[in-house]
Amino acid sequence: NAGVTQTPKFQVLKTGQSMTLQCAQDMNHEYMSWYRQDPGMGLRLIHYSVGAGITDQGEVPNGYNVSRSTTEDFPLRLLSAAPSQTSVYFCASSSDTWNLEAFFGQGTRLTVV
Amino acid sequence: GQQLNQSPQSMFIQEGEDVSMNCTSSSIFNTWLWYKQDPGEGPVLLIALYKAGELTSNGRLTAQFGITRKDSFLNISASIPSDVGIYFCAASEGSQGNLIFGKGTKLSVKP
Repeated sequence: NAGVTQTPKFQVLKTGQSMTLQCAQDMNHEYMSWYRQDPGMGLRLIHYSVGAGITDQGEVPNGYNVSRSTTEDFPLRLLSAAPSQTSVYFCASSSDTWNLEAFFGQGTRLTVV
Repeated sequence: GQQLNQSPQSMFIQEGEDVSMNCTSSSIFNTWLWYKQDPGEGPVLLIALYKAGELTSNGRLTAQFGITRKDSFLNISASIPSDVGIYFCAASEGSQGNLIFGKGTKLSVKP
């Protein structure tokens, strides 16, 4: 069972570069979300989606874009990477907005130099 | 904005000891969840609580949803080395499905 798959696991970017973090789930979950984890900060919500074609901003959306063209995929785009975006990024999914028992991917560790 | 205050930040205990950690907020929530994160991995759900006053167990873990809906605690009995990790509380108001997380409790267990 794959669950939630994130790629890549590690990435180094130069300031100003753009990239897309991939997230895919095979559980037919409607709700998907992206979090960033920084030391001592817990997990903070970046963007979320309640279904294909629907996305919305979380607590820390600036500098990130998302789209949800299919139920399975929820990519996170960094438009112009900044050192402040150095973090570990987690994608999560749950069956719907009423079932909050989220499954997390293994994370992408991003360093912006 | 809403915040979850999780304590303690870290704990160093001897194998076999019981552990207690808690999460408080000034806001009311309808759902409380507890997650564990191992190094290099994503968080894994331990216990979900959906009703004020609810007490739920999962093996050696017990969690309670506070009667005021503003807090929750997690107890681990008879700790073992594989309990090492970071424990997060998370909470949600309702139907949007968005979770907010505490900053975590880092647990270290001496064999």
